Amino acid sequence: DAGVIQSPRHEVTEMGQEVTLRCKPISGHDYLFWYRQTMMRGLELLIYFNNNVPIDDSGMPEDRFSAKMPNASFSTLKIQPSEPRDSAVYFCASSRERGGSSYNEQFFGPGTRLTVL
Amino acid sequence: AQSVTQLGSHVSVSEGALVLLRCNYSSSVPPYLFWYVQYPNQGLQLLLKYTSAATLVKGINGFEAEFKKSETSFHLTKPSAHMSDAAEYFCAVSSPSGNTPLVFGKGTRLSVIA
Repeated sequence: DAGVIQSPRHEVTEMGQEVTLRCKPISGHDYLFWYRQTMMRGLELLIYFNNNVPIDDSGMPEDRFSAKMPNASFSTLKIQPSEPRDSAVYFCASSRERGGSSYNEQFFGPGTRLTVL
Repeated sequence: AQSVTQLGSHVSVSEGALVLLRCNYSSSVPPYLFWYVQYPNQGLQLLLKYTSAATLVKGINGFEAEFKKSETSFHLTKPSAHMSDAAEYFCAVSSPSGNTPLVFGKGTRLSVIA
């Protein structure tokens, strides 16, 4: 199993540009989570999906942020326009709905380090 | 609402010494509790989890944690620290209803001195 895959691993962009972060969850997992990690706020949930449907997006900072999950194997987090305060590490995690020893365990990707200049 | 408090943003121990990382939680329902480890420039890896079974939970790399309801604590311990244990450790809580988002503590950076 390849684990959760995120791309790109690093992104440097200029203020005002559109940024798209990508995530491929573990095959067979029904839940997908997007988290953001900053020095000031730590790790915080942005949005999560169940069976490709957004369940809770209350953590999305503002309308500049949007997330989609068009199918079970792909999700995107888009920031448009980006601002310097969006600089952070963005993690994607996935988990399975039920069954097995890994139930309720979230598996994290390596993260995307975003720098907005 | 759930919350997690990790006491000590930085803990330093000597190699071979006991590791104790503190975590206290707040939850209106019996929670699920987790410890994750993060090495530099990497994602989070699960060390261990409490899901209402045994209160003493054993994890990977020799770590264990004990759920104490009366103290609302879930402290992480390891009898003998190795240099390779140097990392950031996060305690997290979630609802027992399953597959709900994790609420993380601020993290504790563990340094191991030779």
